[in-house]
Amino acid sequence: DSGVTQTPKHLITATGQRVTLRCSPRSGDLSVYWYQQSLDQGLQFLIQYYNGEERAKGNILERFSAQQFPDLHSELNLSSLELGDSALYFCASSGRTGTPAEQYFGPGTRLTVT
Amino acid sequence: GEDVEQSLFLSVREGDSSVINCTYTDSSSTYLYWYKQEPGAGLQLLTYIFSNMDMKQDQRLTVLLNKKDKHLSLRIADTQTGDSAIYFCAESEGSQGNLIFGKGTKLSVKP
Repeated sequence: DSGVTQTPKHLITATGQRVTLRCSPRSGDLSVYWYQQSLDQGLQFLIQYYNGEERAKGNILERFSAQQFPDLHSELNLSSLELGDSALYFCASSGRTGTPAEQYFGPGTRLTVT
Repeated sequence: GEDVEQSLFLSVREGDSSVINCTYTDSSSTYLYWYKQEPGAGLQLLTYIFSNMDMKQDQRLTVLLNKKDKHLSLRIADTQTGDSAIYFCAESEGSQGNLIFGKGTKLSVKP
């Protein structure tokens, strides 16, 4: 158990809908990272937050957004969903930013868009 | 841009050593990582190496880094059936620490 929790574990929704994925980092970790794992694209970095502020952006679509709350949990919002958004979404946390550090991953949320 | 490459499959016999190889492109990466993913599970951090090191050993795991050739390897000694999984190599990007992953190497261990 990495100490990172993600909910829900599975999510099935229809095209055009909006969903919210939730992540709670390990106790004491200030950084949260979101990654998408799909069969065609592999594991891709989406976005990073540190102590409530956005720190780095990767291949995140404009239809997707995220935030980190004062209690450090984070939410990833996916809107106008398309079939191609079906993937595993992982959250990871680490203790520091500014220097690379160990990232511990949650169990993931499997999103299926029908 | 940054790219991490690794072979897709490796098959070994139980008790043998496994060596999984990886090449990366970003010479400014400070850390290089190995993660393990079992079916239906998240990514488990196995080990990582600082870029100024050549080797790191952790129980059955040995990581070798050739910075000149940008080549990273993971050796698993005495491979067991429980080691069957997908192994991902990753490099840290820039100063923020987000990871660039390879496609993963599926390790199959035959009894």
